[in-house]
Amino acid sequence: GENVEQHPSTLSVQEGDSAVIKCTYSDSASNYFPWYKQELGKGPQLIIDIRSNVGEKKDQRIAVTLNKTAKHFSLHITETQPEDSAVYFCAASRLTSGTYKYIFGTGTRLKVLA
Amino acid sequence: NAGVMQNPRHLVRRRGQEARLRCSPMKGHSHVYWYRQLPEEGLKFMVYLQKENIIDESGMPKERFSAEFPKEGPSILRIQQVVRGDSAAYFCASSPTSGGAASGNTIYFGEGSWLTVV
Repeated sequence: GENVEQHPSTLSVQEGDSAVIKCTYSDSASNYFPWYKQELGKGPQLIIDIRSNVGEKKDQRIAVTLNKTAKHFSLHITETQPEDSAVYFCAASRLTSGTYKYIFGTGTRLKVLA
Repeated sequence: NAGVMQNPRHLVRRRGQEARLRCSPMKGHSHVYWYRQLPEEGLKFMVYLQKENIIDESGMPKERFSAEFPKEGPSILRIQQVVRGDSAAYFCASSPTSGGAASGNTIYFGEGSWLTVV
């Protein structure tokens, strides 16, 4: 069935370094790829998204790249700060029978060490 | 500009009782999704609803679980005869009416309802 693989499951970086989280999807019809950040005890918050007609998108310290041929997309966080510590989820979405179906990755726990 | 509102935030139920979780979508949103998150795990899709319609319930357990999104009022996820394995965080998300393939359909999550079954 459709699935999204996300790696790594945990990631520790020093403050100021970059962090990269990678996701691979199986459904070639997926055309929308959001990333969510979940802090402890809270709901996932959308931080950036990318659509299939775009290869890269940037918003300040975060960027997402998409390789449709290889069916993978990545989240890049530069100049990491302690407040970036959280669990990050990727998702792949496609339009199916007039409705959108989301498949989420298993999450990456990012720790930024001060 | 309220976001997705869920209540209660925390709920404790004894085994065999019923749990009712409520979700009010963002203003202008007519699509509601429910997800379950077990401790240290990812988000598992349960059900997708529009007003008065269940669109996709492929992730919902066949027994004890039900969901509705009436014409008026919040969406409700109902779990009957709860068991310890139902202990989890239940997240609701909402999205506006589909804008078509070009615009996608971003979903926004609430803060979750944490169910503990004792």
